[in-house]
Amino acid sequence: EDQVTQSPEALRLQEGESSSLNCSYTVSGLRGLFWYRQDPGKGPEFLFTLYSAGEEKEKERLKATLTKKESFLHITAPKPEDSATYLCAVLHAGNMLTFGGGTRLMVKP
Amino acid sequence: GAGVSQSPSNKVTEKGKDVELRCDPISGHTALYWYRQSLGQGLEFLIYFQGNSAPDKSGLPSDRFSAERTGGSVSTLTIQRTQQEDSAVYLCASSPIAYNSPLHFGNGTRLTVT
Repeated sequence: EDQVTQSPEALRLQEGESSSLNCSYTVSGLRGLFWYRQDPGKGPEFLFTLYSAGEEKEKERLKATLTKKESFLHITAPKPEDSATYLCAVLHAGNMLTFGGGTRLMVKP
Repeated sequence: GAGVSQSPSNKVTEKGKDVELRCDPISGHTALYWYRQSLGQGLEFLIYFQGNSAPDKSGLPSDRFSAERTGGSVSTLTIQRTQQEDSAVYLCASSPIAYNSPLHFGNGTRLTVT
């Protein structure tokens, strides 16, 4: 069964305290992995697409990496405005897009 | 340019009533998706439209749910005889081509069934 699991479910950080969010997947025929940010009351906002193992993408304090079994979203020196739920989604064989349950990040000043 | 627009933003309805949720995708986007997000849960796929092809309805939870897309643009998700378990945020997304393009989401319709 195709599965996408995100951990931890919730993460509290102090401002400036770097950390990583994990997205592990067991799917047939990975065709791409997407990271989204979702603020309360809003729809998910696209961050990154990764297509193959070893690929990395960066945007401001965020860096996404991909291996054959998982992806990490690294957050360097986070600020309170980085607080949000981060979602990953995996595009796999059959052109199905499966979302993980998300990680709720809270960054305290 | 304008993003994906959904209306209404909030809908409260009584159990047993029918509701219609509307989605205006980004102009020129041929792919349109509906997802459901329950409190504290991930996104659950409902239905997918691509151009003039037959929609992928594999995610619809029951025959009370239906959707249509007129003229390859606006889409309406209809829930008949609503139940309390239908309460959720219904998200619409569009993309310029199918599959490996990132989805652009609207802000959703929060449906509450009392």
